[in-house]
Amino acid sequence: QSALTQPASVSGSPGQSITFSCTGTSSDVGGYNYVSWYQQHPGKAPKLMVYDVSKRPSGVSNRFSGSKSGNTASLTISGLQAEDEADYYCCSYAGTSTYVFGTGTKVTVL
Amino acid sequence: EVQLVESGGGLVQPGGSLRLSCAASGFTFSSYAMSWVRQAPGKGLEWLSGISGAGGSTYYADSVKGRFTISRDNSKNTLFLQMNSLRADDTAVYYCAKDREMATTDFDCWGQGTLITVSS
Repeated sequence: QSALTQPASVSGSPGQSITFSCTGTSSDVGGYNYVSWYQQHPGKAPKLMVYDVSKRPSGVSNRFSGSKSGNTASLTISGLQAEDEADYYCCSYAGTSTYVFGTGTKVTVL
Repeated sequence: EVQLVESGGGLVQPGGSLRLSCAASGFTFSSYAMSWVRQAPGKGLEWLSGISGAGGSTYYADSVKGRFTISRDNSKNTLFLQMNSLRADDTAVYYCAKDREMATTDFDCWGQGTLITVSS
């Protein structure tokens, strides 16, 4: 149950698109199409942004999109906005009703 | 409105015990699996434990297996986490989280978190 690997930080200018990864193993990310992404602003609870690799909950902007290839999932934020500045965590189902989170990526809007 | 409110956090000595509660409202509590997730200061999220809607099935991360016990009281719409043999590295904000739908694998509602500090 090792944490999934994410880049520590990613930055972009307003309006740009950024993509960052979440790398696991065949026992988690690669084994199931159950990757979710969470946005967390400082001092706040996480918010679900993407589930089942690429689906968005109602109310989440379509600027957020997810994908997966092999053992690596990715989150893309298009049309970057100041309010997108936050920490982002991926999470994968790891079998037997257990889960593993990623190490987290800090997104900075320049 | 779906709401989760944790309580029970505080300062505890190493080796001590603590019981967290998570009061749920705004949804049919017994229909949803629930989880506990923690976040150490300045660190990432860590899934700890989950429980089925009826409470008959429980699951744990290796890091807490044998020390933490998850349970629920569906008559009181409350989730619990009993934590024993606490260590300094258990210091964290503890969140309860609700599965988005029955038999889904993500969490669409989180509490505000409760801070546990393990220190002498």
